[in-house]
Amino acid sequence: DTEVTQTPKHLVMGMTNKKSLKCEQHMGHRAMYWYKQKAKKPPELMFVYSYEKLSINESVPSRFSPECPNSSLLNLHLHALQPEDSALYLCASSRGRDQPQHFGDGTRLSIL
Amino acid sequence: EDQVTQSPEALRLQEGESSSLNCSYTVSGLRGLFWYRQDPGKGPEFLFTLYSAGEEKEKERLKATLTKKESFLHITAPKPEDSATYLCAVAPTSGSRLTFGEGTQLTVNP
Repeated sequence: DTEVTQTPKHLVMGMTNKKSLKCEQHMGHRAMYWYKQKAKKPPELMFVYSYEKLSINESVPSRFSPECPNSSLLNLHLHALQPEDSALYLCASSRGRDQPQHFGDGTRLSIL
Repeated sequence: EDQVTQSPEALRLQEGESSSLNCSYTVSGLRGLFWYRQDPGKGPEFLFTLYSAGEEKEKERLKATLTKKESFLHITAPKPEDSATYLCAVAPTSGSRLTFGEGTQLTVNP
């Protein structure tokens, strides 16, 4: 069992749908991350939140909208996605920049 | 630009056959090097952090070492349950981004 919980585990959506991915951690970590991972590739960083403020946006298209309601929760709002956005979306958290990131098991997203 | 290269891309071992995975890195300043294990359909699982050359960490059949240019993950007498993709990542002294290698897919046959 991981200490970072992501829901849902699987999501299938059409290109016109709006959905949200959720991530929760109770380790007291103040940095939280969203990654996208394609098959047989390493995770690619999308967003970084530090102390609930967005600190890094890796030029991610606006159809992905992150939100950090509090220090334990991280959301990723999805709208008008494209088929190439199908991937495993991973959330991670860490105590600080030089501390290891702990990952959830991800949401497997399929865009029809 | 920070770079991480892992070799080999794939490795097949017989149960009990020890070997090593390599992670070569180029970074302006190293804050830390991390090893992860990833099983299919799961998120990466944290294994080790190494901060300075000469440092070693051990956990069960795994031992990670670090030099100024590379890190090794030694697997002693592996078992089939050690089969996974092993990822190496470096954290530079500037910024919050990890740079990941492409990973080594390890298969241990019984």
